[in-house]
Amino acid sequence: DQQVKQNSPSLSVQEGRISILNCDYTNSMFDYFLWYKKYPAEGPTFLISISSIKDKNEDGRFTVFLNKSAKHLSLHIVPSQPGDSAVYFCAASGNTDKLIFGTGTRLQVFP
Amino acid sequence: DAEITQSPRHKITETGRQVTLACHQTWNHNNMFWYRQDLGHGLRLLHYSYGVQDTNKGEVSDGYSVSRSNTEDLPLTLESAASSQTSVYFCASRAGNTGELFFGEGSRLTVL
Repeated sequence: DQQVKQNSPSLSVQEGRISILNCDYTNSMFDYFLWYKKYPAEGPTFLISISSIKDKNEDGRFTVFLNKSAKHLSLHIVPSQPGDSAVYFCAASGNTDKLIFGTGTRLQVFP
Repeated sequence: DAEITQSPRHKITETGRQVTLACHQTWNHNNMFWYRQDLGHGLRLLHYSYGVQDTNKGEVSDGYSVSRSNTEDLPLTLESAASSQTSVYFCASRAGNTGELFFGEGSRLTVL
């Protein structure tokens, strides 16, 4: 049973526009959420996180929104750049502190 | 700079062989993890360790084992490799019990 779901396997966005990546979770015990970015042949790298006590966290072009009632989080990238083309994973943890990852969304930013 | 390294980066083996993937980190992190990445499944947790002599099973642990004899290393062993274990394996570490994981560059394993 997939506890963290990313229902869009891929997303294509024009450079300069907003990219919105979505993530849903089923476990109400999750209280900490992270986004990772992965380039081909490299390990995932941490991008941004949010605690369940917040509903928004911003870091430069990247903003994560958390809707606890809907068990949904999203990552907004504004403006999108070609270097943002990568696979993005959302991850969640709760009282067990292990990170559970989603299946990933491949973002392509075209000129 | 402190880092986390995996070896080998690429390996081809035959069904039934024993394979060990190495993971070494120089951050002195207590927590270390092994994940596998497969299309359609994302990153799935195999095993993890919170310190020396501590090991725990993750979501998909069958066919895999780990050992933690020191802080720096968490080798992953496949006792008898199967074709279903063809995957990319990532090791990760973390200083404490919460927060971000730092990942290695991955080991691509092909089992023929």
